[in-house]
Amino acid sequence: EAGVAQSPRYKIIEKRQSVAFWCNPISGHATLYWYQQILGQGPKLLIQFQNNGVVDDSQLPKDRFSAERLKGVDSTLKIQPAKLEDSAVYLCASSLWGGSSYNEQFFGPGTRLTVL
Amino acid sequence: RKEVEQDPGPFNVPEGATVAFNCTYSNSASQSFFWYRQDCRKEPKLLMSVYSSGNEDGRFTAQLNRASQYISLLIRDSKLSDSATYLCVVNSGNDMRFGAGTRLTVKP
Repeated sequence: EAGVAQSPRYKIIEKRQSVAFWCNPISGHATLYWYQQILGQGPKLLIQFQNNGVVDDSQLPKDRFSAERLKGVDSTLKIQPAKLEDSAVYLCASSLWGGSSYNEQFFGPGTRLTVL
Repeated sequence: RKEVEQDPGPFNVPEGATVAFNCTYSNSASQSFFWYRQDCRKEPKLLMSVYSSGNEDGRFTAQLNRASQYISLLIRDSKLSDSATYLCVVNSGNDMRFGAGTRLTVKP
């Protein structure tokens, strides 16, 4: 079974530039998550989609970050403009469904972003 | 106070040792709990869920204490391949919170 795909794997940009990340979840998974993981920290949830609707974006810095999942499958996360503190690994994860019960999330390999 | 706090580590142990990690959480309404494993420069992967009655999977035992808002992971007979960062994860409805992780190095 194919896992969660992400691209690009690495990206280096200068501050104030824009960048976009792409994620393709496991087939049939309704829930998609974007996380930011800064070196030495655990992943921080940025946004959660259930199909193409947003369930939780309370920790998404909406002045510069945006995400969409138009057809309920692939998703893109954009940063515009980037700041130095955005340097991190951006992880995409998917699960069969969201909710309060056991719900394993499968993570993609991540995109390592460096902002200079 | 952080929502999910873990032992900072790192833990350096010899092969065959028993090691325990602790994790506390602040949201008393939290409903499900997990341990994930993350190898260096890799993505997190589910190690095991944590059930109220405690659960075991081979050399790994997870415990939950809802009254103290505390979960633990015990690894017996450590192997070199157990070297990784162990992430405590707490789910409150749709809200998944990860701890910062505890790094374990198992040495020959």
